[in-house]
Amino acid sequence: EVQLVQSGAEVKKPGESLKISCKGSGYSFTSYWIGWVRQMPGKGLEWMGIIYPGDSNIRYSPSFQGQVTISADKSIGTAYLQWNSLKASDTAIFYCARHTGYPSSGAFDLWGQGTKVTVSS
Amino acid sequence: DIVMTQTPVSLSVTPGQPASISCKSSESLLDSDGKTYLYWYLQKPGQPPQLLIYEVSNRFSGVPDRFSGSGSGTDFTLKINRVEAEDVGIYYCMQSLQLPWTLGQGTKVEIK
Repeated sequence: EVQLVQSGAEVKKPGESLKISCKGSGYSFTSYWIGWVRQMPGKGLEWMGIIYPGDSNIRYSPSFQGQVTISADKSIGTAYLQWNSLKASDTAIFYCARHTGYPSSGAFDLWGQGTKVTVSS
Repeated sequence: DIVMTQTPVSLSVTPGQPASISCKSSESLLDSDGKTYLYWYLQKPGQPPQLLIYEVSNRFSGVPDRFSGSGSGTDFTLKINRVEAEDVGIYYCMQSLQLPWTLGQGTKVEIK
C-alpha cells in the first residue's frame, strides 16, 4: 500500500527539542519531494518547506527558515521535521505530503495522518 | 509572496444544490511551460487534506465528477454540481508556481 505514516502525538515543554518523522512506503521514496504543512489550532494550512530525499535538496518557506529543520534519511525512507527549542506557538498539527512534480507542476497527492505537537509548560 | 484569497469564508448548502468557491491570486499562476499551478484540496473534519483538482481543472483519481475546476491567470473557481453530505469540510486553493507556496485561508462548506 502506498502511504505516508507519521510519528505519534507529542507533548513537550517550551525550550525542549523535538524531531517528528514521516515514513513512506509502497513507492520509490527517493523519487518524490516530501513537503511539510502546519495547521495551528482552528487555523488554515501553511506550507513550511519541501525536501527531495534523493539528494536532501531542501526549500524552506521564509516564515519557517531558521525555525525548523527538514531532513531525510533515504536509507529508511523517512523524512523529518525538527525543532531545537520549542515555543508554545509551535503547538499545531504537522502534516507531511508527497509532491508529484516539483519543480514542474505537481500536487500533494499523498498525505500522512498528521502529528499533533503540543507545547505547554 | 503570492497571496491567495478565497471567497466566501463559509458556505451552507442544501444537499443536491450547487456550490461555488472563488480563489484569486495576486499574480498570474500561468507558467512558461503552459501549465497553471493552481490546486484544490479538501480537508474533511478530523482528516488530513486530500487532493481534489490539479492544474486548475483536472480531477485527481477517485474524485467524483460533481467536482469541477475552472479559471485562468489569477481567477479560479471550484464548483460542486450537487453537494452531498460527504462534501463537508474546508476547501483550500494552493499555488505552487512560486516559492513560498501559498494557500488560501479556506472555505468551510456545511450542509443545511
